[in-house]
Amino acid sequence: SQQGEEDPQALSIQEGENATMNCSYKTSINNLQWYRQNSGRGLVHLILIRSNEREKHSGRLRVTLDTSKKSSSLLITASRAADTASYFCATDAGRAGGTSYGKLTFGQGTILTVHP
Amino acid sequence: DTEVTQTPKHLVMGMTNKKSLKCEQHMGHRAMYWYKQKAKKPPELMFVYSYEKLSINESVPSRFSPECPNSSLLNLHLHALQPEDSALYLCASSHPRRGLLRDNEQFFGPGTRLTVL
Repeated sequence: SQQGEEDPQALSIQEGENATMNCSYKTSINNLQWYRQNSGRGLVHLILIRSNEREKHSGRLRVTLDTSKKSSSLLITASRAADTASYFCATDAGRAGGTSYGKLTFGQGTILTVHP
Repeated sequence: DTEVTQTPKHLVMGMTNKKSLKCEQHMGHRAMYWYKQKAKKPPELMFVYSYEKLSINESVPSRFSPECPNSSLLNLHLHALQPEDSALYLCASSHPRRGLLRDNEQFFGPGTRLTVL
């Protein structure tokens, strides 16, 4: 079952504007990750935030995590047409150190369209 | 090499056919994954291999049979599929996690678009 819920389901903005996507989840997590998927292609890892972190930056990306509210947000600043894609949050709820792999549960995704 | 490759890119098969999907990575990852993704939906985990051993089978029907011949290769054997199995099949890999809070970002291949007639 998918534990992540994302909103909005779709977001349409102009180039240069900021885009904010939100993700909520239900169980405790080790980390939360954001991925981008261009139409019909593989997913690309964007950023990972651990359960003991509150904010993380990577280039034009800013991720926040509020474990008390079980929610995260992804901010893309100064968006470009090339940012047009689907964005998924994914939670890893495995026990830290308990397994050698990560079992990710993906949210429903946000479709971002950036108009030139 | 930071790439996960998948072949074929597209596959059309009948319900009586037997085919295989292949996935390869040379990043030294010891965890490999198969996901199924329907249009406009998130990926759904099917199988996880850790150190070449099957660690997770998410109650996938037996017409899907995974195989991990070595640490770089992952196969998905298909037999007697149904039209509802048509989807994008994604392979991913990640570093093994040792110790606490080890990051486990997954690297995805481009996927195989499967159509079952």
